[in-house]
Amino acid sequence: GAGVSQSPSNKVTEKGKDVELRCDPISGHTALYWYRQSLGQGLEFLIYFQGNSAPDKSGLPSDRFSAERTGGSVSTLTIQRTQQEDSAVYLCASSLGLAGGMSQTQYFGPGTRLLVL
Amino acid sequence: GNSVTQMEGPVTLSEEAFLTINCTYTATGYPSLFWYVQYPGEGLQLLLKATKADDKGSNKGFEATYRKETTSFHLEKGSVQVSDSAVYFCALSAPYTGGFKTIFGAGTRLFVKA
Repeated sequence: GAGVSQSPSNKVTEKGKDVELRCDPISGHTALYWYRQSLGQGLEFLIYFQGNSAPDKSGLPSDRFSAERTGGSVSTLTIQRTQQEDSAVYLCASSLGLAGGMSQTQYFGPGTRLLVL
Repeated sequence: GNSVTQMEGPVTLSEEAFLTINCTYTATGYPSLFWYVQYPGEGLQLLLKATKADDKGSNKGFEATYRKETTSFHLEKGSVQVSDSAVYFCALSAPYTGGFKTIFGAGTRLFVKA
């Protein structure tokens, strides 16, 4: 079956512009995560959606970052007034959520590589 | 709160050397533990996992044992290959409001020389 997909795969934008990154999780996965990975660095947690519960936004680095998940499926990460330090690979992952219990595996998308000039 | 600490890299080994990447965790209750791997130019993928104390996860010659007494999940391989060069992430999954939440360590980059 289809895995997690993300679009666009690459995005080049100018400083100050807004960008939207899209994630299509695996069908039936109720948990969805966004992470940021800067060059040579680890995973930085951004936001976590679980079903209809309020999302855990504790990882969002500033109020320029927001995310939504419509209908419990597709998610969009929006970065307003982009800055050069926002340049990174943005990864999305999904998992079964409550149905999978604690042993659930996260399935990652290929990422969106964002470059802010 | 819950956290994962893994050894800093990079780790550089010669082919056929023994590999250990240390991982320790802090969590309330009994989390599940994972190792994920990111090969150059590829996405993150699960390498192995263990769901309860004393369980051993294994895959592709890698092993890790869930040690509750030392709160550890060290990754080992008896004989590494050049193709094992990658970044390895230790992670835990634990109950969280409304579901379960996964927390990742910082990652350890492994270079294997021929």
